[in-house]
Order: sequence, then C-alpha cells, then structure tokens
Amino acid sequence: DQQVKQNSPSLSVQEGRISILNCDYTNSMFDYFLWYKKYPAEGPTFLISISSIKDKNEDGRFTVFLNKSAKHLSLHIVPSQPGDSAVYFCAARLGAGNNRKLIWGLGTSLAVNP
Amino acid sequence: GAVVSQHPSRVICKSGTSVKIECRSLDFQATTMFWYRQFPKKSLMLMATSNEGSKATYEQGVEKDKFLINHASLTLSTLTVTSAHPEDSSFYICSARRQGGIYEQYFGPGTRLTVT
Repeated sequence: DQQVKQNSPSLSVQEGRISILNCDYTNSMFDYFLWYKKYPAEGPTFLISISSIKDKNEDGRFTVFLNKSAKHLSLHIVPSQPGDSAVYFCAARLGAGNNRKLIWGLGTSLAVNP
Repeated sequence: GAVVSQHPSRVICKSGTSVKIECRSLDFQATTMFWYRQFPKKSLMLMATSNEGSKATYEQGVEKDKFLINHASLTLSTLTVTSAHPEDSSFYICSARRQGGIYEQYFGPGTRLTVT
C-alpha cells in the first residue's frame, strides 16, 4: 500500500520554464512533508519541507504547495536549470520521538533541457 | 554541517560471505540512524531504524538475522549482510537523524553491493 504516491515517473522541461512535481498521500497523520533530490549513485539531499499546518513554503527557486483537503502537494522550480536534472522524492513524516520515520514516494525523474 | 559518510562506497563479494557497511555522522551526534535499500527504478525502501545503544527495529519483511545492524555509538552504525546472495545486490543507503530540526534525515552517499 503506497501511502505516498508520485504518479509521474518522469518529467521533461525546457531550461528557464517552470517544473512542477506532484505528490499525493493517503495518511492524514503525516505531520511534515519533505522533498529530496537525488543524483545517481548518491544519497538523497534535502531540498525543502512544509508543515502540515501550512499551505506554502518558499526557498529561492523552490516552492512547495500543500493542499491538505486534497492530500496533495507539489514542488515548483522556477526557473528550471539543467543542474536541477535529478530524481525528486516526496517524503512524509510519521510518528513521534524515536518512532518517527519517513515514508517515501517512488520518485520523479526530472530532465531539464538546455 | 550534517555530513554523513558511508564506507565502502562500492563492494563486490562472493556468495556466502558477509559484508559490513559503515555509516558515520561526521559532525553531529545521531541518536537514530536508518538503513535503506534502493532497487533499480524503485523508491527507497526502509529496512530498519537503529537507535544508539538498543536493538534495531526492522521493517516487515526484512530478515534481522540476515541484515545485522549495530549502533554502538552516537556517530557510527553498521549494517552487516550475512551469507550474501546475488539477490542481495543493491544500493544501500544510510541516513542519520540529528536531534531536533525538521529535515531530520541526512543521507550518506550510499554503498553499491554486488554479490557474485
């Protein structure tokens, strides 16, 4: 049962345009949502997060929107750059204290074309 | 800050042997470390959660006798793949959680294990 879903396995965008990566979830107990970026043969690196009580968080070119009623979040990258080409994972935080863990989506591979 | 290292980055071993992978938090104390496995074109699969000084908590379907986890200090956790088989070949990634904070898992660079 996939609690965090990234339905688009890949996305191709032209340099300078907006990239929109989507993520849906099913568990209303998630309290934080995070986006990680991963290059091949490397571990994921944290990109941006949003609390479940917020609807938007912005950091430079990256903005995450949360629609709690729809159980949907999206990551916007504007403007997209070739260096943004990577796999983006959506993750949701569950639990408390030492039982806290992240539930991961399958990832979306973003290709930004020059 | 928040650097996590893994060693080795790549290892090839023969079937039936055991392999140890180390995960270190270099500039912070990690009370909790996580071990993930990534299959080709698949997401990160959480294998186990390791708390310093206590037994690891394994996810359903992960054999604890096959994947031995030790978290003996606040900066080191090890994963030992025992009696390795070719189907254990995978990309293993650890992460460490720093106390406090929100984006609380910092990932190592991963270890590519190939069992021949």
